[in-house]
Amino acid sequence: DADVTQTPRNRITKTGKRIMLECSQTKGHDRMYWYRQDPGLGLRLIYYSFDVKDINKGEISDGYSVSRQAQAKFSLSLESAIPNQTALYFCATSPGTGGSNSPLHFGNGTRLTVT
Amino acid sequence: RKEVEQDPGPFNVPEGATVAFNCTYSNSASQSFFWYRQDCRKEPKLLMSVYSSGNEDGRFTAQLNRASQYISLLIRDSKLSDSATYLCVVNSRNDMRFGAGTRLTVKP
Repeated sequence: DADVTQTPRNRITKTGKRIMLECSQTKGHDRMYWYRQDPGLGLRLIYYSFDVKDINKGEISDGYSVSRQAQAKFSLSLESAIPNQTALYFCATSPGTGGSNSPLHFGNGTRLTVT
Repeated sequence: RKEVEQDPGPFNVPEGATVAFNCTYSNSASQSFFWYRQDCRKEPKLLMSVYSSGNEDGRFTAQLNRASQYISLLIRDSKLSDSATYLCVVNSRNDMRFGAGTRLTVKP
């Protein structure tokens, strides 16, 4: 079983629709992240959270929002999807202990297409 | 200029070859460094952390040059299973920045 689980795995939606991507983890990590990956651009950070009451914007947060419902759950919402939000989305976790030396553990990704 | 830059490749090498990738970063305050491996349509997975003194894990050797702001990954005796995209990751105060990746194909 995956330690970091993302749902759905694939989603096709239309412009203007609201969509939520969900992430849950069984690793007991405090820190959770949402990234998007586009060809030639690498992964870019959308939002991150260091605990349930903590939400921080990343490099490209415009058009997205997040909710940290519990230590184990971190969801990403697109309030009104647009075609340039078509991408591969990854959730990731890290333990927090070890500070900046803690590597990330990724979920299996959600492929989102906005038509 | 991108914060983390990698040669996108592709690098096509025969089995058994030695191949090296470089990655440069722009933030001199960066604190920690990693190499991740990503197979096609899969999630990135940690390959190895990069330490200041350099470190080795089997056929893989990572080096850090803070003065020149680059890190490197050397793969010796390449295997077919090494075919993947290798991502350079640089962390500055919990802000992890990813390179776009270098694609490696190892051929029989």
